[in-house]
This record gives sequence, structure tokens and C-alpha cells, in this order.
Amino acid sequence: RKEVEQDPGPFNVPEGATVAFNCTYSNSASQSFFWYRQDCRKEPKLLMSVYSSGNEDGRFTAQLNRASQYISLLIRDSKLSDSATYLCVVNWSWGKLQFGAGTQVVVTP
Amino acid sequence: DVKVTQSSRYLVKRTGEKVFLECVQDMDHENMFWYRQDPGLGLRLIYFSYDVKMKEKGDIPEGYSVSREKKERFSLILESASTNQTSMYLCASFPGGTTPTNEQFFGPGTRLTVL
Repeated sequence: RKEVEQDPGPFNVPEGATVAFNCTYSNSASQSFFWYRQDCRKEPKLLMSVYSSGNEDGRFTAQLNRASQYISLLIRDSKLSDSATYLCVVNWSWGKLQFGAGTQVVVTP
Repeated sequence: DVKVTQSSRYLVKRTGEKVFLECVQDMDHENMFWYRQDPGLGLRLIYFSYDVKMKEKGDIPEGYSVSREKKERFSLILESASTNQTSMYLCASFPGGTTPTNEQFFGPGTRLTVL
């Protein structure tokens, strides 16, 4: 069983629409949570951290549900430039990250 | 801006060759990591280092070794390359101590093909 599981997609989203997707993690001792973004043939980059109370960064909203062991990412008013693979990342031990395989989002005109 | 560079973007080697992948970061980070990324599997940690000459095994260290002689440089070594080591290799770093985000900064990756 994978430590971090994500729906691979692709999620095809019309420009301007909202898209949301989850990831689940298996280690209940996980301490911190992140979403990274990876463009095609590029390296991953941190999109946002995910806090217990939920947090927003512009059009992006992240939620954490510790009881059910999942985190979510919602993108509002999707832009063409949001097309990417979104990696769910969990930190269960200092400095060591567990990555999901990613959810591909394709925003269409 | 943190900059992490890797010695090659694309590399083609033959089975049995010794392969060196180099990673350099310019932000004086204590911690450096080597991952491989394969379709459907995500990034998997091979080795990491939290200080010069220190190294720790990650989740998939078999077939790999590492070297960290200087703080800014972390090398991944494939002693005898095999076809199942064909992959994208990503290096990352982050500073010591506690950071608000624990963000890891990645290099551009090396796509290694072993024939």
C-alpha cells in the first residue's frame, strides 16, 4: 500500500471553473502536509503548506482532515497556467517527505 | 533565490557502467536529498545527507551510494548501472533547523537512460 495516494486524473477543467481533489495518507503520525506543483518536465515546487485549520492562498484552498487522514486542494477560477501535476506531500519524520504520484490537472480554454 | 543545479539534464549509459550524478546548491543548506521519480510511483527517496560526510539511507538505497565531501555538493553514484535504474533523478536541499514550511528546493532533474 502506498503511503500517500492520489487520483492520477487527468481532471479536465474549463477555464474559470473550480476543481478539487484529495489525497489520503496512511501514517497517522504524519506531522506536516504540503501541496507541490510540478509542470511538465520541470522540478516540483512548493505550492502551499496545509494547516489544520485550512488555509487559502489566492485562488487555492487547502484543507486537512486528520481524523480521516486526507488533505484536499481546491482551485477556483482556474487559469490555463494552472495546468500541471499537483503532488500531495506528507512529512512524517524530520526532513523526510513522502510524495504522492500526483494529480494531473488540464485547464482548457 | 535558492539555486540547485544538477550536472546533466540527460544521460545515456550502458549496463554495468559506473555513473556519477552531481548536485550543487548555493544556499549553504545543511540537508540534501536524492530522489528518483517514475510514472505512477511519485518521488522516492534514495539517500539523504544532513551534514558533510554524513549520509542516511532513504526508502530505496539498493544499487546506489552517495558522497558528500563538501557542504554544497551531493553526489549520487550508481556502481554498476542496470536497466531498472532508468529514471528521472532529482536532487533537493533545505536548510537546517526548523523552517516554517520545510520546503525542499529541487534541481531540474537528470533523465538517465541505461541501455
